[in-house]
Amino acid sequence: NAGVTQTPKFQVLKTGQSMTLQCAQDMNHNSMYWYRQDPGMGLRLIYYSASEGTTDKGEVPNGYNVSRLNKREFSLRLESAAPSQTSVYFCASSEIVIGYYGYTFGSGTRLTVV
Amino acid sequence: KQEVTQIPAALSVPEGENLVLNCSFTDSAIYNLQWFRQDPGKGLTSLLLIQSSQREQTSGRLNASLDKSSGRSTLYIAASQPGDSATYLCADLGGSQGNLIFGKGTKLSVKP
Repeated sequence: NAGVTQTPKFQVLKTGQSMTLQCAQDMNHNSMYWYRQDPGMGLRLIYYSASEGTTDKGEVPNGYNVSRLNKREFSLRLESAAPSQTSVYFCASSEIVIGYYGYTFGSGTRLTVV
Repeated sequence: KQEVTQIPAALSVPEGENLVLNCSFTDSAIYNLQWFRQDPGKGLTSLLLIQSSQREQTSGRLNASLDKSSGRSTLYIAASQPGDSATYLCADLGGSQGNLIFGKGTKLSVKP
């Protein structure tokens, strides 16, 4: 099925550990995004990539890095995890043309940092 | 900076009721308005997208409207069912990076 695939679905890290969240889309979208969702805060943009080879900071980029490996894949890396990074992370893709479908989201990665 | 507010934060209704979820914006220069559904522990599913030149969109029992002059959007759900229980999020595709700006959602519970 066409869509956005995120791995892993769940992860527990110890403070200071590093990890990479993977995201891939098969809809040939140019733009990809990483959001985090926290209780009472809604979804906030971490990083985005308007096209292959470009990345830019969003609202809450501190503590994260990203890589747009190719048009399909956009990864999010936590170099030294902190408890404040406990959250649900969503990857999304979109094609910025006026149309019905808008954004497509992955099913999320639930990360706990202890 | 665009801010999106959803009221109420939670809503519980008996099955069969028609209901309205509200979304308001601080900046009426809305680009595209999208409504999502999120089931517990799941990702976001797009329900309806209203382009800035449109006033409403319909899909089955769902109708979303947009009034840019007042900075409001509503999602109308007709004849609610227990399967409609979820959190509903509205978002403006108005971020400077082409990103979505989300409200915090309305958690809907439809009781059998």
